[in-house]
Amino acid sequence: GAGVSQTPSNKVTEKGKYVELRCDPISGHTALYWYRQSLGQGPEFLIYFQGTGAADDSGLPNDRFFAVRPEGSVSTLKIQRTERGDSAVYLCASSLMAGGGETQYFGPGTRLLVL
Amino acid sequence: AQSVSQHNHHVILSEAASLELGCNYSYGGTVNLFWYVQYPGQHLQLLLKYFSGDPLVKGIKGFEAEFIKSKFSFNLRKPSVQWSDTAEYFCAVIGGGTYKYIFGTGTRLKVLA
Repeated sequence: GAGVSQTPSNKVTEKGKYVELRCDPISGHTALYWYRQSLGQGPEFLIYFQGTGAADDSGLPNDRFFAVRPEGSVSTLKIQRTERGDSAVYLCASSLMAGGGETQYFGPGTRLLVL
Repeated sequence: AQSVSQHNHHVILSEAASLELGCNYSYGGTVNLFWYVQYPGQHLQLLLKYFSGDPLVKGIKGFEAEFIKSKFSFNLRKPSVQWSDTAEYFCAVIGGGTYKYIFGTGTRLKVLA
């Protein structure tokens, strides 16, 4: 079956611009997670949704970052006034439900480069 | 705050050598532990996970990991590596009533044919 998909796969933007990154989870998965991976680092948690609501957004670095999941399926991560430090791979994952023992299935990521 | 340490950042082995990658975490409560692998050009895939029961966990492709609670460790092992095991390996932990992974920085494994 189809896995987690993310679009675009690569995004180049200029400092100060607005970007949207999209994640399409595995069908039927109610939990969706966003992580950010900088070069040489492991993925860092940003936010996760259970259904339509953000259950934990403690990893969002500041108020330039925002994510939505209006219908409980596709999610969009939005970054305003991008900065060069936002350059990273943004990973999305989904799981059947939110739970400690649940496996999270990762997408291929969106590589964001802010010039 | 929880953290995960992977002490080996780069490992180079010859085929058929044995592998052990270290993972230590810093959380005293109940944890769930995972190892993920990222092959070149591919996305993160689950190798194995532990959340209860037998502390020796077997995963895909001949990998196993042992949870040692007293040492806060969850080391990954494979008795005989293959060239196709060349990849980056990440240890992750979930605990404290949260459902977000805390990842280590990863270990890049290169297996020489």
